[in-house]
Amino acid sequence: AQRVTQPEKLLSVFKGAPVELKCNYSYSGSPELFWYVQYSRQRLQLLLRHISRESIKGFTADLNKGETSFHLKKPFAQEEDSAMYYCALSNTGFQKLVFGTGTRLLVSP
Amino acid sequence: GAGVSQSPSNKVTEKGKDVELRCDPISGHTALYWYRQSLGQGLEFLIYFQGNSAPDKSGLPSDRFSAERTGGSVSTLTIQRTQQEDSAVYLCASGAGQGYGYTFGSGTRLTVV
Repeated sequence: AQRVTQPEKLLSVFKGAPVELKCNYSYSGSPELFWYVQYSRQRLQLLLRHISRESIKGFTADLNKGETSFHLKKPFAQEEDSAMYYCALSNTGFQKLVFGTGTRLLVSP
Repeated sequence: GAGVSQSPSNKVTEKGKDVELRCDPISGHTALYWYRQSLGQGLEFLIYFQGNSAPDKSGLPSDRFSAERTGGSVSTLTIQRTQQEDSAVYLCASGAGQGYGYTFGSGTRLTVV
């Protein structure tokens, strides 16, 4: 069964500090991994997908199949990064996108 | 339209009443999901439609929940005999295909009193 684990409910850092939001997954096949973000009073939106290996808003995420992880990282956090972040997994057939419980990132000045 | 549209944005209903939630996906998107977002519970998968295939209903919490998608476009999620534990934000998302992720609507906040 597909499962996504985000162990931290809340991550609080100061502006300029590095950020790592953890995501571990359980899936027997070849997964598609995503990070979604939800800013205050806004809809959930796609931040990153692992197949594109892109950097969005300074965030990167590398799929580590050995550790079954897809941690989200940013070297210098900004106040506007404060939001709820969800890690999500889909199988290669692109069915049933499964979400973690989310991590709230709070960046203080 | 330019994005995924959901209506109503807010719905307050009395316990025991039926409700219908509507989702207008992005034109041309073949995949459509319904999720439920409860405080502290993350996003709970409810149902998934892909093209003309039979929907994956494995996430529906009870037989009071049902959904349909007409003409491969608009979808309606129906909750019969609502209960207080049905209170949540119901999110719809549509997608174009593998690897592209999904676009979410702004959700319907359902409150059962």
